[in-house]
Amino acid sequence: DAKTTQPPSMDCAEGRAANLPCNHSTISGNEYVYWYRQIHSQGPQYIIHGLKNNETNEMASLIITEDRKSSTLILPHATLRDTAVYYCIVRVEGTGNQFYFGTGTSLTVIP
Amino acid sequence: KAGVTQTPRYLIKTRGQQVTLSCSPISGHRSVSWYQQTPGQGLQFLFEYFSETQRNKGNFPGRFSGRQFSNSRSEMNVSTLELGDSALYLCASSLEGVREKLFFGSGTQLSVL
Repeated sequence: DAKTTQPPSMDCAEGRAANLPCNHSTISGNEYVYWYRQIHSQGPQYIIHGLKNNETNEMASLIITEDRKSSTLILPHATLRDTAVYYCIVRVEGTGNQFYFGTGTSLTVIP
Repeated sequence: KAGVTQTPRYLIKTRGQQVTLSCSPISGHRSVSWYQQTPGQGLQFLFEYFSETQRNKGNFPGRFSGRQFSNSRSEMNVSTLELGDSALYLCASSLEGVREKLFFGSGTQLSVL
């Protein structure tokens, strides 16, 4: 079942930060927010996940609001290779490999 | 380290036939899961295997089955193919302690005519 809402598409200029929003107003206390992306003709790629604190890794930053009802994935300096469909998923950690990917946001990075 | 390898990359079958797809996980990954991706339904979870045992199963008919071998390689089988089975079939592996971080292969594109 869909627990997240994402805009269907977004554009971002190359070199600028890409901010991808996700609404998850019904998130439970033990559910994490995960982000994956899928570049055309490839399998999805894990980006980042978090519970309530902001997270950062070599790929992106994840900002979760204090009430946890929404989050933003930030790609600090978007490149053409970041053009992909980005999926925001909420689920309980430790419950296996079953993810509901939804429809995601199609991000196009423009030169 | 080699990534997840799926074979074949493309496959064409006719209705009523059966098909077997193969997946070799990343070395050291013992958990393997399968997903189906279609334009209409998106990515849908099929099943997950760990230590040769099915650990979780999605909402697919019994025509879809899978198995895992002692070396963690996995196969999935679809019997009595239907036109609607045309899809990209993706395999993912993960470390047991980090099961949420999935590593996907490039998939097998199955076309049923």
